[in-house]
Amino acid sequence: AQSVTQPDIHITVSEGASLELRCNYSYGATPYLFWYVQSPGQGLQLLLKYFSGDTLVQGIKGFEAEFKRSQSSFNLRKPSVHWSDAAEYFCAVGVRGGNKLTFGTGTQLKVEL
Amino acid sequence: GAGVSQSPSNKVTEKGKDVELRCDPISGHTALYWYRQSLGQGLEFLIYFQGNSAPDKSGLPSDRFSAERTGGSVSTLTIQRTQQEDSAVYLCASTPGQGAQGYTFGSGTRLTVV
Repeated sequence: AQSVTQPDIHITVSEGASLELRCNYSYGATPYLFWYVQSPGQGLQLLLKYFSGDTLVQGIKGFEAEFKRSQSSFNLRKPSVHWSDAAEYFCAVGVRGGNKLTFGTGTQLKVEL
Repeated sequence: GAGVSQSPSNKVTEKGKDVELRCDPISGHTALYWYRQSLGQGLEFLIYFQGNSAPDKSGLPSDRFSAERTGGSVSTLTIQRTQQEDSAVYLCASTPGQGAQGYTFGSGTRLTVV
């Protein structure tokens, strides 16, 4: 079965600084990979997804992620963080032909002004 | 509808009472999922519907939990004899096809058992 690890429970960055949130997955083949964001009291919103092809994926709100097969990673990045990016971020993995996603435990992002 | 709708948004119930949580998926979405998000935890899969049938209910934590879906649309998650450990946010998601290609989530129902 597939699994997802988000090693960082909390991350604090200053507004305007760059951001990288880590995600590692365990699965024998190439998975589908996702990043979701959850603001307080809200459901999860899809930021971006990787299915195949170009390993650098662009998403909404200026986020991007890079699939690195050799490292089993799908880290989320943003060059310059805004205060409104403060939220919880979840990485998720799905398998081809499968029907459900497996989520990491999330990374809480705090942005200092 | 335009999005996935869940009701109620908040529910406080006494220990031992039964509760029903409702999910109205995006129109035309055949697959529907229930997840549970406990404080400080990730999302725990509960059950998956394809149409009205539930091919995967492996995540239901006990026989106090059940779910149904009618008309290939609205789903109800029922928790009987609620316990304090059932307190969590219950999230519903739907997809037009294979869930492994990504979900659209509702805003969730926050359940508090006192």
